[in-house]
Amino acid sequence: DTGVSQDPRHKITKRGQNVTFRCDPISEHNRLYWYRQTLGQGPEFLTYFQNEAQLEKSRLLSDRFSAERPKGSFSTLEIQRTEQGDSAMYLCASSDGMSVGPQHFGDGTRLSIL
Amino acid sequence: QQQVKQSPQSLIVQKGGISIINCAYENTAFDYFPWYQQFPGKGPALLIAIRPDVSEKKEGRFTISFNKSAKQFSLHIMDSQPGDSATYFCAASRGSGTYKYIFGTGTRLKVLA
Repeated sequence: DTGVSQDPRHKITKRGQNVTFRCDPISEHNRLYWYRQTLGQGPEFLTYFQNEAQLEKSRLLSDRFSAERPKGSFSTLEIQRTEQGDSAMYLCASSDGMSVGPQHFGDGTRLSIL
Repeated sequence: QQQVKQSPQSLIVQKGGISIINCAYENTAFDYFPWYQQFPGKGPALLIAIRPDVSEKKEGRFTISFNKSAKQFSLHIMDSQPGDSATYFCAASRGSGTYKYIFGTGTRLKVLA
């Protein structure tokens, strides 16, 4: 069990640029979640995949955000035309099973918008 | 109805003392309640979780107490140690659909040596 891996750990970019983050879940986990965490707050749900299907998107996920999970393995989260308000920690989590249970989080990608 | 309210916002405890963090929820459809520990620069790590069919669960120094009628649950850290100094989050999830977590706002715990 190598854990959930996220890349890059830190991303600094100028406002208006596009950024892409990658998440590699625990290998046997079929469920993958993206959350966003701002300073001093708890993580907020962004989107969820079961295998390769994106089954739910939060209203926090504006049209500038897109997520994919091709082949049901790793996932990418892309933010287009970044804005100051996008500065946050983007966390990925994975879980398995057919019912609610523990989600295992990666160490996140911290995005800073200049 | 989707909120999970967590208190206190911060907590200072002497080494060896008991740390208690409380959470309350409104949505009775929630049926899985995990607690996470987060250190600076790291992702949340699962500590312990409970389902509403039990009133208490203990794992080592960590205990969850659950009061279904009051829609409240709490984390007790016994014999608190300086290494426990971190931010703690409660969360809740429904037992159907996507099983996404709704997190509380966090409690920053400092254990004094």
